[in-house]
Amino acid sequence: EIVLTQSPGTLSLSPGERATLSCRASQSIGNNYLAWYQKKPGQPPRLLIDDAYSRAAGIPDRFSGSGSGTDFTLTITRLEPEDFAVYYCQQCATPPLTFGGGTKVEIK
Amino acid sequence: EVHLVESGGGLVQPGESLRLSCADSGFSFSSYWMSWVRQAPGKGLEWVAIIKEDGSEIHYVASVKGRFTISRDSAQNSMYLQMSSLRVEDTAVYFCAAGEGWTGSYWGQGTLVTVSS
Repeated sequence: EIVLTQSPGTLSLSPGERATLSCRASQSIGNNYLAWYQKKPGQPPRLLIDDAYSRAAGIPDRFSGSGSGTDFTLTITRLEPEDFAVYYCQQCATPPLTFGGGTKVEIK
Repeated sequence: EVHLVESGGGLVQPGESLRLSCADSGFSFSSYWMSWVRQAPGKGLEWVAIIKEDGSEIHYVASVKGRFTISRDSAQNSMYLQMSSLRVEDTAVYFCAAGEGWTGSYWGQGTLVTVSS
């Protein structure tokens, strides 16, 4: 099983600031099949990034993904009020399709 | 527009069974991999199971193998999760998701399963 470790656990930032979230895998993720989701309370997850860097339909370009192998990053260039949420990475290469523990981006 | 709706959640006692359903409207159900993901109260997301478009390939997380069965019915545009021998730790909101690959591109709103005596 591929274990995903997300850091930091919590990120305290102000609107307009840049957020950098990390996702590290216990082994290389084949074809960089790494996705990022945004999760807000009472709502389903929302796909942001697929295949490490491909933005999903309708996702603003302030969200970007990068990385390969075992180290991946989600960057939000300028935080908007609606971006404060929990973010999860998921490897979609090898079953079980594990999620990371999440990074909470909170308002400072 | 894709629209997934889960149903079947509720309160059950440990050891009992429950069947969740996920119905779609508005997209080509048979073109997508379908999966179940859950979130226990105050916890993170946990992937549970996935089934191929034609049902020919299925995968489960280890903790539910032998207890949960994922299936789909293209004629009904629905996917199911038959859950047996339920445990307290299975308590969660269960989401269904659809995608062209193993990524969850489209999601339902979730259904709550509570296992408690």
